[in-house]
Amino acid sequence: SQQGEEDPQALSIQEGENATMNCSYKTSINNLQWYRQNSGRGLVHLILIRSNEREKHSGRLRVTLDTSKKSSSLLITASRAADTASYFCATSNSGYSTLTFGKGTMLLVSP
Amino acid sequence: DAGVIQSPRHEVTEMGQEVTLRCKPISGHNSLFWYRQTMMRGLELLIYFNNNVPIDDSGMPEDRFSAKMPNASFSTLKIQPSEPRDSAVYFCASSLVLRYSSGTGGTGELFFGEGSRLTVL
Repeated sequence: SQQGEEDPQALSIQEGENATMNCSYKTSINNLQWYRQNSGRGLVHLILIRSNEREKHSGRLRVTLDTSKKSSSLLITASRAADTASYFCATSNSGYSTLTFGKGTMLLVSP
Repeated sequence: DAGVIQSPRHEVTEMGQEVTLRCKPISGHNSLFWYRQTMMRGLELLIYFNNNVPIDDSGMPEDRFSAKMPNASFSTLKIQPSEPRDSAVYFCASSLVLRYSSGTGGTGELFFGEGSRLTVL
């Protein structure tokens, strides 16, 4: 079963607007990661946030993590048409661990 | 580094045929993952190798699927016999997984290949 569940499933915005995607998960985690996937391509890592961190920034990306609510959000500021892609959250537990992915949010940024 | 290399990128085959997908992970990574992606089920982990040893194969659908990692630079995923419901994009990913003596640690960034799109007619 999926550990992370993204919300919304699809998001359509105009260039310059901010895009916010949310992720909820069920069990305790070591870290949470966000990935991007352009159509027909492999996933590309965007950012990793550890369970003891609450917020992290990378360029136009801002990720928050609330372990008490088992949720995370990804904010893309000043979106561009090139940000059009699917975005996935993935969770990692401790020890020998794999990444469990959600089903993703499809983001469409119109010029 | 060339990144994770998968082959073939596209494969069209008929039901009952054997399919072999190949993956070359990034040099120095100690973990390799095979995922399958479909519209209905999203990204599903099939099998996970650490230091060439299969650690978790609970996601392998059935005995028709098998995976090997004979050395640190090569892995295969085989489907025999293939069925139409196996049609999907199969991704290989590699990573450096850290596991500390305390038992903590976790999976870091995964580096994905471009995937192998399989169509079984």
